[in-house]
Amino acid sequence: RKEVEQDPGPFNVPEGATVAFNCTYSNSASQSFFWYRQDCRKEPKLLMSVYSSGNEDGRFTAQLNRASQYISLLIRDSKLSDSATYLCVVNHNQGGKLIFGQGTELSVKP
Amino acid sequence: DTEVTQTPKHLVMGMTNKKSLKCEQHMGHRAMYWYKQKAKKPPELMFVYSYEKLSINESVPSRFSPECPNSSLLNLHLHALQPEDSALYLCASSQASSGAYEQYFGPGTRLTVT
Repeated sequence: RKEVEQDPGPFNVPEGATVAFNCTYSNSASQSFFWYRQDCRKEPKLLMSVYSSGNEDGRFTAQLNRASQYISLLIRDSKLSDSATYLCVVNHNQGGKLIFGQGTELSVKP
Repeated sequence: DTEVTQTPKHLVMGMTNKKSLKCEQHMGHRAMYWYKQKAKKPPELMFVYSYEKLSINESVPSRFSPECPNSSLLNLHLHALQPEDSALYLCASSQASSGAYEQYFGPGTRLTVT
């Protein structure tokens, strides 16, 4: 079983749609959680950290459920520019080692 | 400013060459990382430096040799690479190597080994 699991997609959605990505992690000692986005042939960019209370940044909402070991990312009113691969990332606090999910590819169409 | 810079952007090298990748950050971060990323895969951690000391080596072959000359710079020396080492090499930095801090990635060096 992978330490961090994501639906690989691809998700093909029309502009304006709401799309949700889910992620599960296996290590209950995990301490920090992040969503990164990665455009084709570019570096991963931090989208948002995920907190136990949930957090929102504009059209993006992240949720964490520690009991279920589950993380989610909701994108509302999706734009063409949201097309990218979204990486769910977990940190066990073992010297900075990040554990990446395989990524979920999103394609937003006109 | 959350900027990490890397040079060169692209590198083509033969299996007998020696080359170096460079990474720089001016955010005052005390942890720096090297990752390797193959197409359609997530980044894989190679090395972690914390306060200029190597703290994690993920069993990387000795043909990859990291160096941290100071708190802002990180190098990766390459020697006798194999074609399967062709990949995107990403540098990242964070305020410290504890789990709470976000890591910021540079644009990467796209390496081709011929």
